[in-house]
Amino acid sequence: EADIYQTPRYLVIGTGKKITLECSQTMGHDKMYWYQQDPGMELHLIHYSYGVNSTEKGDLSSESTVSRIRTEHFPLTLESARPSHTSQYLCASSATGVLQPQHFGDGTRLSIL
Amino acid sequence: AQKVTQAQTEISVVEKEDVTLDCVYETRDTTYYLFWYKQPPSGELVFLIRRNSFDEQNEISGRYSWNFQKSTSSFNFTITASQVVDSAVYFCALTVLSGSARQLTFGSGTQLTVLP
Repeated sequence: EADIYQTPRYLVIGTGKKITLECSQTMGHDKMYWYQQDPGMELHLIHYSYGVNSTEKGDLSSESTVSRIRTEHFPLTLESARPSHTSQYLCASSATGVLQPQHFGDGTRLSIL
Repeated sequence: AQKVTQAQTEISVVEKEDVTLDCVYETRDTTYYLFWYKQPPSGELVFLIRRNSFDEQNEISGRYSWNFQKSTSSFNFTITASQVVDSAVYFCALTVLSGSARQLTFGSGTQLTVLP
């Protein structure tokens, strides 16, 4: 059962377009994360948030930006998409506390032409 | 569709004990990758290992070792001489490269607590 939702599941779009990937969770989790994954490779953390109005960059440099205006919503935006942004993007959330596991969305597969 | 099962929800061991975390996967794809990630108390996932479906060679890295067996669709992770710093949630994950609707699948995680 999915309590964390990502839309769209797939997106094919041209270069230069502005893109927003949506991520919402219904569990009231304070912590949320965005990961990027190239085919067959491991996840890389690109953004995270510890709560409303909190956003931090992750280990992997990314041209995307995020916002956290509401607890349940953590959208990721690319102002001007490029082919190098083609990848899979995975959103996750977790409760605050020691050893609280992350819950993962189904991912968005993004292709920039 | 893919599935990853980590049957052990929580494990507690005493420091210096060995512990094995189980991971069983399901996929119809012949080409796939398996991963283990560690989620320490700080929250962010830490990548531990990646194996592809054509390489069944077991791997050892320090106190960590992985046993990949395609015959039983398992990819188990063993920590030898566990330490308190090993306390974390550990995730097993499967990714396929075909046109499947869901390319990346995580197990539900195993919470490991190592007691001093």
